[in-house]
Amino acid sequence: SQTIHQWPATLVQPVGSPLSLECTVEGTSNPNLYWYRQAAGRGLQLLFYSVGIGQISSEVPQNLSASRPQDRQFILSSKKLLLSDSGFYLCAWSRGQGAWEQYFGPGTRLTVT
Amino acid sequence: QQPVQSPQAVILREGEDAVINCSSSKALYSVHWYRQKHGEAPVFLMILLKGGEQKGHEKISASFNEKKQQSSLYLTASQLSYSGTYFCGTEPGDYKLSFGAGTTVTVRA
Repeated sequence: SQTIHQWPATLVQPVGSPLSLECTVEGTSNPNLYWYRQAAGRGLQLLFYSVGIGQISSEVPQNLSASRPQDRQFILSSKKLLLSDSGFYLCAWSRGQGAWEQYFGPGTRLTVT
Repeated sequence: QQPVQSPQAVILREGEDAVINCSSSKALYSVHWYRQKHGEAPVFLMILLKGGEQKGHEKISASFNEKKQQSSLYLTASQLSYSGTYFCGTEPGDYKLSFGAGTTVTVRA
């Protein structure tokens, strides 16, 4: 069976500090991978998605970036965090080639102070 | 573009029914439904594809009107476990979901 891992679970970082969130998927190959952000009490905003190694599409202009160094690894980064970067960050995967359901990781709750 | 969900919130007693609506201004290939409990990640419920195919939950049903770009989720004989925030995600054929703002469902005993 497939599982998706995210870490850390919670993070408190000062404004201006760097960020690195990691997501890994097990039990499948060549998945589509996604990063979402959810502000408190709000819906999910798609930040990045990837259909393969090194292939990243950005949906929202911001100070965040994403990388996919391996087939089942997806990393979200920032060089300098802003207060507005606070939120619940969710990684998700789906099968490629067609309309498939997305499975979400447990999420990282980021607070920028 | 974000789909519009209605209502924003609904309160039910166990055994009652409810309908959650999702409307998009774009032509859609698929509509996804997810439920999120407080502090947890969203969980997949159902996907409805253009052409009528459905995949998902046994006890929750949904419909998809392709011409109107609308979908409805039907909660029948609600149980306490149905409480949570329901999100629809719309997909025009590019594998990217746009999520609605959510509908908070509270089921009381």
